[in-house]
Amino acid sequence: SAVISQKPSRDICQRGTSLTIQCQVDSQVTMMFWYRQQPGQSLTLIATANQGSEATYESGFVIDKFPISRPNLTFSTLTVSNMSPEDSSIYLCSVAVGGSTDTQYFGPGTRLTVL
Amino acid sequence: AQSVSQHNHHVILSEAASLELGCNYSYGGTVNLFWYVQYPGQHLQLLLKYFSGDPLVKGIKGFEAEFIKSKFSFNLRKPSVQWSDTAEYFCAVRTGGSYIPTFGRGTSLIVHP
Repeated sequence: SAVISQKPSRDICQRGTSLTIQCQVDSQVTMMFWYRQQPGQSLTLIATANQGSEATYESGFVIDKFPISRPNLTFSTLTVSNMSPEDSSIYLCSVAVGGSTDTQYFGPGTRLTVL
Repeated sequence: AQSVSQHNHHVILSEAASLELGCNYSYGGTVNLFWYVQYPGQHLQLLLKYFSGDPLVKGIKGFEAEFIKSKFSFNLRKPSVQWSDTAEYFCAVRTGGSYIPTFGRGTSLIVHP
């Protein structure tokens, strides 16, 4: 398994500003993922972040809006840029652990409210 | 692309009642199947998973799920729920060759004491 921490746990931000969310894992992992969880909806994958390469974004998400860093095998950041109220959501960091039978583990999430 | 359907969006039960949450997916190939649970104020936790072998999988806290390939289903069951089972339950399916599962929209379970 993996223990994942995220900072901040929650924030209230003004429209037009940016917020960087940090994700720390207690072990080295190859693949890290960023998800968005909106109330009453499924988890939506934003991007996959592998150390040493550019993040891979899912349809509907772009690097300019959600830049991601992955400086090492235990840490990643997601920035939500030029925020609008539509960006209000819970943002989750996740890692895959276990090789061929890997399972995803999730961080506690960052609850973002944009005014 | 595959999709995952959780038909019950909200379920309300009394303690000791039996639980079955439906999960169906649309993919004909090899799948890995997961159920995650999110207790109020807590993060998503893995409840159980199926990769191969016995289609009846037992997880934590008395939960089990059965993979029925012919029905493209992976329903979650518990014979007798407790108040502490109140949570959001997510089914997820990962198709062969992909690291990334597709999640259902979740089922909110409320158990009354």
